[in-house]
Amino acid sequence: GNSVTQMEGPVTLSEEAFLTINCTYTATGYPSLFWYVQYPGEGLQLLLKATKADDKGSNKGFEATYRKETTSFHLEKGSVQVSDSAVYFCALSEKAAGNKLTFGGGTRVLVKP
Amino acid sequence: DTAVSQTPKYLVTQMGNDKSIKCEQNLGHDTMYWYKQDSKKFLKIMFSYNNKELIINETVPNRFSPKSPDKAHLNLHINSLELGDSAVYFCASSARGGPLEQYFGPGTRLTVT
Repeated sequence: GNSVTQMEGPVTLSEEAFLTINCTYTATGYPSLFWYVQYPGEGLQLLLKATKADDKGSNKGFEATYRKETTSFHLEKGSVQVSDSAVYFCALSEKAAGNKLTFGGGTRVLVKP
Repeated sequence: DTAVSQTPKYLVTQMGNDKSIKCEQNLGHDTMYWYKQDSKKFLKIMFSYNNKELIINETVPNRFSPKSPDKAHLNLHINSLELGDSAVYFCASSARGGPLEQYFGPGTRLTVT
């Protein structure tokens, strides 16, 4: 079956530091890939997505590139802010699997001023 | 203006009770989902409905019964609540076709005592 593995947190950074959260996946077909963010006490928000190999998703200074050869979709941001403190989830969906989202375990990021 | 709404936001109840959580989306989407997030933030699909028809039913105890009166609503009824049912339950919706990103509600925190 499908699965998503992402680095465990918490990740603690200072403001303006560089952030990378690693994500790798296993899928039977050709999935779409997503990063969702969950701010404290809130639901999940789509951060970015990519639907085919070499696509780069980007939003709010975050980027991730769909790497089919390494089955990876690492999230990066060049300069984090305190407001980026949240839990980040990597996820995939496949049409053959009813388009359900399969999530990684989430990575908590804490940015200190 | 809320795209995906859930009620109630918090639900505290005793073991053995029966409770329902309601979900509504005003995005015109055809597909709706229920996810469970446990205390370690792990997210897992429970059910998916497409245009009122059940299309995904993961290995969820049959005490959980989703009901979709129309394509804008997907309610979750839980019978004989157990301590292990304590979690945050998220409703989501997506459109057919396209990149299939899902839009999430704010979540319902269920606490079974």
